[in-house]
Amino acid sequence: QKEVEQDPGPLSVPEGAIVSLNCTYSNSAFQYFMWYRQYSRKGPELLMYTYSSGNKEDGRFTAQVDKSSKYISLFIRDSQPSDSATYLCAMRGQTGANNLFFGTGTRLTIIP
Amino acid sequence: NAGVTQTPKFQVLKTGQSMTLQCAQDMNHNSMYWYRQDPGMGLRLIYYSASEGTTDKGEVPNGYNVSRLNKREFSLRLESAAPSQTSVYFCASSEGPGKQYGYTFGSGTRLTVV
Repeated sequence: QKEVEQDPGPLSVPEGAIVSLNCTYSNSAFQYFMWYRQYSRKGPELLMYTYSSGNKEDGRFTAQVDKSSKYISLFIRDSQPSDSATYLCAMRGQTGANNLFFGTGTRLTIIP
Repeated sequence: NAGVTQTPKFQVLKTGQSMTLQCAQDMNHNSMYWYRQDPGMGLRLIYYSASEGTTDKGEVPNGYNVSRLNKREFSLRLESAAPSQTSVYFCASSEGPGKQYGYTFGSGTRLTVV
């Protein structure tokens, strides 16, 4: 079983829709949770990060962490064609952990 | 501010050839990483350097070597390239354990081994 599971998609939604992207994980030691956005032929860029459980909002983006269910989500409101990219979740443990565990990424296309 | 710079951007090698991928960061980060990204496999850690002077194996180190030349530079070497090493390679950096939760990635090197 992989440490982090993510539906690869692809996911296509019309412009303006609410997008929900999700990951599940198996390691209860994970404390830091991140979402990266990767445009085609580019490196991943950090979009959002949260510590432990709860919600975090940044503009049109909301990250949710439910540690009891080992489930994290990224919501995109009022989706735009410029949001078309691959979204990767990532997570790591509390201390001494240099390594991030990544999901395989979900490819998202926003249709104008 | 350049962030993380990788060279070259593209490379085609013949089986058995060697090459070095270069990475440099200008953010004064302590930790640096090399990942490979393959379809359906996601990002997999090859090697990392928690701080200048140290290197450690990641998930898929076989066939690779690394050198942390100084605080800015971290190179990845393929001694005898194999078709299985065809991939996109990303270098990343972070402030270090407990200080920075996110990594900054370079734009990648697309390597094809024929």
